[in-house]
Formats: sequence, structure tokens, C-alpha cells
Amino acid sequence: EVQLLESGGGLVQPGKSLRLFCAASGFTFSSFTMTWVRQAPGKGLEWVTAISGSGDTTYYADSVKGRFTISRDNSKNTLYLQIHSLRADDTAVYYCAKDSPSDYVDHWGQGTLVTVSS
Amino acid sequence: DIQMTQSPSTLSASVGDRVTITCRASQSISKWLAWYQQKPGKAPNLLIYKASTLEGGVPSRFSGSGSETEFTLTISSLQPDDFATYYCQQYSTFPYTFGQGTKLEIK
Repeated sequence: EVQLLESGGGLVQPGKSLRLFCAASGFTFSSFTMTWVRQAPGKGLEWVTAISGSGDTTYYADSVKGRFTISRDNSKNTLYLQIHSLRADDTAVYYCAKDSPSDYVDHWGQGTLVTVSS
Repeated sequence: DIQMTQSPSTLSASVGDRVTITCRASQSISKWLAWYQQKPGKAPNLLIYKASTLEGGVPSRFSGSGSETEFTLTISSLQPDDFATYYCQQYSTFPYTFGQGTKLEIK
């Protein structure tokens, strides 16, 4: 059974940095592209970033390019999201997601809430 | 970036109704479209991929159709468990983008 468990969220001051984690199990982690999707309170889903199985290729939404960095450690079955210069509009639930071989998301974690406030 | 526009934003319907949600892409995405259902406080759940292929375990009352720029999600006979928010997502071109969502409410 695929399991994705996010952690690292919490209350953070504007301008600070934060690293989110996603522990994956139940599948061959290194074989699949992984994705982060976020959802601001009461709002819709926003695709944020994705990384290939090898980690060689990354993609970002324009809204986060330059401040967010996605990475992975295939030896630890762990996905990361480093966020710098946090802003109030980064407040959201951040979901870790596994892509299918055809690139749509087929499994989601339960999400971790990031709140940016002074 | 490819813009995805869903309509309506809110839909009020009754148990047993047939409902259709539309998703339009700002440029052709072939059939690279997925539909997700999300309930309050929960992660989204995959319903349909490649525009019309039902994910395993999803009830057959859900169906999808369309190609290029226009797509629909149809629920043939609404059940109480179907009242939720639905999102389309294109996975043709990065950055992959979602529609704004359609909230399906009980009339």
C-alpha cells in the first residue's frame, strides 16, 4: 500500500525558511516522479513543483520559482521541499503526491499545514 | 502556462440527479486530463485520468469525456457521498495546472 507522510509544517514568521518532508513507502520510490501541491485555506489546489525519479529534473510553478527547491533522497525514500523567504500567501496545506508512470497524481499524502504569520 | 477553467463554480443538485461539470483548457492538452474529488479536510482522490479512464475502485456512475480543450465529468446518479469539490488538472505541459474547482452542494 502506498503511503506518503508529510511533516515539517508549522507556524513560521515571514521571511524565514522551512523544510518540508515526505516519507514514502509501499512502492519503488526512485521509479516515480514526485510532486508537491498546496492549498491555501478555503481555496483550490495549486500545483507547486515536481521532481523526476532520479532527481535530475525539476519543474516549478512560476509563483514559487526561485524561492522553493524540491529534492529527494532515494536512499531514504524521502521527498523534500525547501521554502525560503516565506510570505503570508505561502500559508497553505502542502500535499506530497506520487505521480503515475503517465504523470498524473495517483496517490496523495494527508498534507502538512504551513502558516506564515508574525 | 495552460489555464484550466471549470464551470460552474458551484452546483446545487439532489440525490439521484445527473450532473455534468465542464473543464476548458486554454490550449490543446490532447487527453492529458485528470479529475479529482476532494472532501473537506481531506486530500484529493483520483477519479479519472486520460480524460475518460476510470481509476480502479471508483464507482461507474462517474464518467469523463472530451479531448483537446473541452472536457466533462458526469455523475449519472448522485449519491450522498458525492457531495464534494471536484478539480480537473492538465498534465500535458509543465507547470501542470488545476481548475479552480466545482463545489457540488445538496439542493
